[in-house]
Amino acid sequence: GEDVEQSLFLSVREGDSSVINCTYTDSSSTYLYWYKQEPGAGLQLLTYIFSNMDMKQDQRLTVLLNKKDKHLSLRIADTQTGDSAIYFCAETAYNNNDMRFGAGTRLTVKP
Amino acid sequence: EAGVAQSPRYKIIEKRQSVAFWCNPISGHATLYWYQQILGQGPKLLIQFQNNGVVDDSQLPKDRFSAERLKGVDSTLKIQPAKLEDSAVYLCASSPSGLAGENTGELFFGEGSRLTVL
Repeated sequence: GEDVEQSLFLSVREGDSSVINCTYTDSSSTYLYWYKQEPGAGLQLLTYIFSNMDMKQDQRLTVLLNKKDKHLSLRIADTQTGDSAIYFCAETAYNNNDMRFGAGTRLTVKP
Repeated sequence: EAGVAQSPRYKIIEKRQSVAFWCNPISGHATLYWYQQILGQGPKLLIQFQNNGVVDDSQLPKDRFSAERLKGVDSTLKIQPAKLEDSAVYLCASSPSGLAGENTGELFFGEGSRLTVL
């Protein structure tokens, strides 16, 4: 079946850049997403990218997509303590109702 | 705009008991999803509704789980009888479009209902 994989943990210092990586297997993936989940809360969409793009920038967030390698990354510039959360990579195909999520990367930002 | 509402936030039951979770999606959202999120894992789709019809319930353990969205608005997810492995957070999400992949496909999530089965 199709899988979305992420590393489970990342720890950075406040002010550094964070890079969270994701790989997926479904070549028909059309939309790829990054969701953020803070403790005790639901998932909140951070950003998304269409599969015909290779980069998207939104303020401190940069998403890079390598469709050939099926690799997605999220870079957070100037990481703050408030960015500490679990970040989920997700993908869906146009003809597929199911949004598939990775297991999440727990980002810890140390002051 | 009010977000996706879920209740209860927390529920503790013993195995073989039953439990029900309720979800009220964002007003006007046609599509409603129930996801199961086991600790340390990403959310996994249980069932998807389009208005009051089921679009996908292929991953719903139908021997013990049931869900309905009778009037095409709010929804109830029931587990009967519960097993230890059902301990998880049950997330409800909604989206305005019919299919994930139309528009941006963004899902709007509630805060979840955390179930502990003892």
